[in-house]
Amino acid sequence: KNEVEQSPQNLTAQEGEFITINCSYSVGISALHWLQQHPGGGIVSLFMLSSGKKKHGRLIATINIQEKHSSLHITASHPRDSAVYICAVKETSGSRLTFGEGTQLTVNP
Amino acid sequence: DAGVIQSPRHEVTEMGQEVTLRCKPISGHDYLFWYRQTMMRGLELLIYFNNNVPIDDSGMPEDRFSAKMPNASFSTLKIQPSEPRDSAVYFCASALTHGDTQYFGPGTRLTVL
Repeated sequence: KNEVEQSPQNLTAQEGEFITINCSYSVGISALHWLQQHPGGGIVSLFMLSSGKKKHGRLIATINIQEKHSSLHITASHPRDSAVYICAVKETSGSRLTFGEGTQLTVNP
Repeated sequence: DAGVIQSPRHEVTEMGQEVTLRCKPISGHDYLFWYRQTMMRGLELLIYFNNNVPIDDSGMPEDRFSAKMPNASFSTLKIQPSEPRDSAVYFCASALTHGDTQYFGPGTRLTVL
């Protein structure tokens, strides 16, 4: 069993839909990252959170430490949101990140 | 700031050759990370440095891989000898402090024939 699991693996949505990507982990963590990897390969850090909720534009990330679960929401999705979204956790000891396998999101116009 | 800089962006080499990947972190960042991404295994941490000192190299696949950080503004990842299974995208990332957001470079796409 992977330490970090994401669901779904693939997601196709119509423009304007509300999207949720989930991440569950099995280790003790001090922080959780959501990353976005564009079709060209570049990786951008979207959020780093250790509790509660963060919002940036149409993106919202939440984390429940007790349940070891995080969600990334995209409101009013747009084709330019099409990318791979990767969840990564920073374990309590050290600075290394452990990555989920990613969720491929495709938003159709 | 220019962000994390990696070179080369693409490298094609023949099996058995030495490959050197380079990274310049964001100025002032104390942490530097090397990652590898493949279709089969996704993103994996290879090694990370704090203040130029290697802290965790447990992700380095084998002795053919080595990484150095001679100063705060430069790091190398070397593969010698390279093998076709080393073909991947190698990312470098840096962070200001322990636990801070990591900023990724554009990656080096390595193809070993």
